Amino acid sequence: QSVLTQPPSASGTPGQRVTISCSGSSSNIGSNYVYWYQQLPGTAPKLLIYRNNQRPSGVPDRFSGSKSGTSASLAISGLRSEDEADYYCAAWDDSLSGHWVFGGGTKLTVL
Amino acid sequence: QVQLQESGPGLVKPSQTLSLTCTVSGGSISSGSYYWSWIRQPAGKGLEWIGRIYTSGSTNYNPSLKSRVTISVDTSKNQFSLKLSSVTAADTAVYYCARSPRWSVAGGGWDYWGQGTLVTVSS
Repeated sequence: QSVLTQPPSASGTPGQRVTISCSGSSSNIGSNYVYWYQQLPGTAPKLLIYRNNQRPSGVPDRFSGSKSGTSASLAISGLRSEDEADYYCAAWDDSLSGHWVFGGGTKLTVL
Repeated sequence: QVQLQESGPGLVKPSQTLSLTCTVSGGSISSGSYYWSWIRQPAGKGLEWIGRIYTSGSTNYNPSLKSRVTISVDTSKNQFSLKLSSVTAADTAVYYCARSPRWSVAGGGWDYWGQGTLVTVSS
């Protein structure tokens, strides 16, 4: 049972826009930044979004993040086949001396 | 270009201690600008943060693992290490080391990761 809640799966067709939600609480998303990671099969996760809505250099602007209250979302526009991957949200949790928590991950399928 | 590389035994017996080392190249672990973390992922499952260390030696651990985890740093070797005691089959996972900017108490996202190493707990 992950501290942050994500849908286990999402799907879309090429060119579509899909969103992945991440729900938390006041001790994590509600008071700290949200980060998103993309994990392709057999590889280490890759930082996709930092500080709620910032993209690292090299990440296409098709990827965007947002946060409102204790929830956050990752949006992918102009869906491409190479976007098929697992996506994880993460946030710092202020409880119990502080620690990082993850969502359970969302498997994105490009139909 | 910063690179992280995990190393250690791929097979550990139940009740023993899992020990892994992460070697950092292309940058100094002593720079003071980063936290150094361990994260794991059981096969087919999600990511779990284990803990992190700062170059001063200060640590933060996942509360669910805190009683069994020790993370240490060796700045002379540009390495940091993980020890997880009293392992069971539930500790079988791919273990990643990763770096995050030290912007705040929380720090930033993990921008560099090792490739991961599979550790299996089995007799």
